[in-house]
Amino acid sequence: EAQVTQNPRYLITVTGKKLTVTCSQNMNHEYMSWYRQDPGLGLRQIYYSMNVEVTDKGDVPEGYKVSRKEKRNFPLILESPSPNQTSLYFCASSPTLSSSYNEQFFGPGTRLTVL
Amino acid sequence: SQQGEEDPQALSIQEGENATMNCSYKTSINNLQWYRQNSGRGLVHLILIRSNEREKHSGRLRVTLDTSKKSSSLLITASRAADTASYFCATNNAGNMLTFGGGTRLMVKP
Repeated sequence: EAQVTQNPRYLITVTGKKLTVTCSQNMNHEYMSWYRQDPGLGLRQIYYSMNVEVTDKGDVPEGYKVSRKEKRNFPLILESPSPNQTSLYFCASSPTLSSSYNEQFFGPGTRLTVL
Repeated sequence: SQQGEEDPQALSIQEGENATMNCSYKTSINNLQWYRQNSGRGLVHLILIRSNEREKHSGRLRVTLDTSKKSSSLLITASRAADTASYFCATNNAGNMLTFGGGTRLMVKP
């Protein structure tokens, strides 16, 4: 089944404790992206990747890191999480963003709470 | 920064009625997309309309795009309780990002 998977789905952690949220897609998509969703603010893009070893900042990259060593995986790293990073995180992938047909496929989300 | 702004923010209708949601955006676009999100879940792509298209249909969904007014509308006809969800518009401005609006929360009462 074609899908985007994220792990973990739920995470409660404490300020300053490094964490990684994994994202994997099995559709051979070139484009992958991370979003955070907060009440009243919609989805905001954190980072995106056009292809392996190519990553770029979105609207709200501060406090986050990403890597794209393989086409299928795009982990989100919080080196020193803070309470303002408490949010619902979504990973998404798309065949490419360089065409007019670029719908994104979303993972199920990771609900992160930083105490 | 939010490119798309949905209106209304919340909409409550009876089953069988039509639901119309609007989206306005600020800069020129390559395409505009509508997504649906059930509570706390991932977004699901509904329909994409390109900048050179004016109207598109998919089942009970009808999307219009007016590039001169920088606006789009999503019409759901003969709504069902299962249509209860949040609906988001997203714009691609030919760059590498898809920018989402704040969403419209639709409640369809049985």
